[in-house]
Amino acid sequence: AAGVIQSPRHLIKEKRETATLKCYPIPRHDTVYWYQQGPGQDPQFLISFYEKMQSDKGSIPDRFSAQQFSDYHSELNMSSLELGDSALYFCASSRRRLAGYEQYFGPGTRLTVT
Amino acid sequence: GENVEQHPSTLSVQEGDSAVIKCTYSDSASNYFPWYKQELGKRPQLIIDIRSNVGEKKDQRIAVTLNKTAKHFSLHITETQPEDSAVYFCAASESSYGGSQGNLIFGKGTKLSVKP
Repeated sequence: AAGVIQSPRHLIKEKRETATLKCYPIPRHDTVYWYQQGPGQDPQFLISFYEKMQSDKGSIPDRFSAQQFSDYHSELNMSSLELGDSALYFCASSRRRLAGYEQYFGPGTRLTVT
Repeated sequence: GENVEQHPSTLSVQEGDSAVIKCTYSDSASNYFPWYKQELGKRPQLIIDIRSNVGEKKDQRIAVTLNKTAKHFSLHITETQPEDSAVYFCAASESSYGGSQGNLIFGKGTKLSVKP
């Protein structure tokens, strides 16, 4: 079965640079979530989109923005990167209209800020 | 907002023994409680979930129980195997069919080690 796709898988950036992470949800899934997971930490919710509209907002810094496109893929844009932004970034998707519950995670993007 | 507490933070068992991980939540509006297994550097994998209208759910060696009154839920793994070794996260959210679907609030995780 098709899974959530994330790109790139690894990304190395310097402080103050920008980064764009991409997420392609499972086909027919209409909701995308972004989570940030620091080393040894639990995943922290950043932001979600349903039918291309922002649905919920969590602990997402103002330096970050995100959107969902007409093909349901989503991008997380991160500017003025800081050392503390180094983490695993997961995208998850679900099919809210029918099932509404299960969230399936992508493989993640490991961002390292030097 | 919702707060999820998870215990223990580490758990070591012998192969074949049972393992139990417990979580409590604070928001009575939460109605969906999944459990994820995460191996080092990998994605969280959904292993079992339970909704607030159900008290218990079982899938082979894994079972989850929910006590809505006490606001706690537990994961039970029987006949543990070395490949069960991983970090397990509980989570809670408020979700509804065709309507709002909340983000997941995770517990801090339990590192399970199964010794052969």
